Amino acid sequence: AQSVTQLDSHVSVSEGTPVLLRCNYSSSYSPSLFWYVQHPNKGLQLLLKYTSAATLVKGINGFEAEFKKSETSFHLTKPSAHMSDAAEYFCVVSDRRMDSSYKLIFGSGTRLLVRP
Amino acid sequence: KAGVTQTPRYLIKTRGQQVTLSCSPISGHRSVSWYQQTPGQGLQFLFEYFSETQRNKGNFPGRFSGRQFSNSRSEMNVSTLELGDSALYLCASSLYAVSTDTQYFGPGTRLTVL
Repeated sequence: AQSVTQLDSHVSVSEGTPVLLRCNYSSSYSPSLFWYVQHPNKGLQLLLKYTSAATLVKGINGFEAEFKKSETSFHLTKPSAHMSDAAEYFCVVSDRRMDSSYKLIFGSGTRLLVRP
Repeated sequence: KAGVTQTPRYLIKTRGQQVTLSCSPISGHRSVSWYQQTPGQGLQFLFEYFSETQRNKGNFPGRFSGRQFSNSRSEMNVSTLELGDSALYLCASSLYAVSTDTQYFGPGTRLTVL
């Protein structure tokens, strides 16, 4: 079955240092992949998405992710963390089934903590 | 442009009752999808509606159902509520397809089943 694994449930970084949130997926075809962010008491917001165009995807607020088919990974990075980046991040894969219907599969989430 | 709105924001029900949640998508968006978020199971896709038809669905029992109206507004119904149905229910809208488009999420309806 298709799946999404976020390798870290919590990541803690100091402000101004790089951020790496890891995501691995399994899919039987070329998937669409997304990263969403959920700030406390706020709705989910799209950071970026990959839909079979350029493998390096740039998103909002300085985030980017690289689709690596050989490694089945879609890790999220940011060169320099800001306090406002503290939130929960979800990696999402769009899964096509044999009947050609789709569903979105969410990773379990990574909570990013940013230390001053 | 107004965002996705969900009503009510909070709801308390007892086991065995049924509940209807409402979602108004962003103007011009034709796809509406629903999600359940719980601490134990995380975020799970319930179903997607497009042009008043259920187009895609997750792995939830038939107690969970929905519909979409001609103005793209959507409702989700849960019958015979169970304690495990307590969750944050999120609605999202997109222009066309849940599979590739950006989903715009509403604030959610917090359902508590006693």
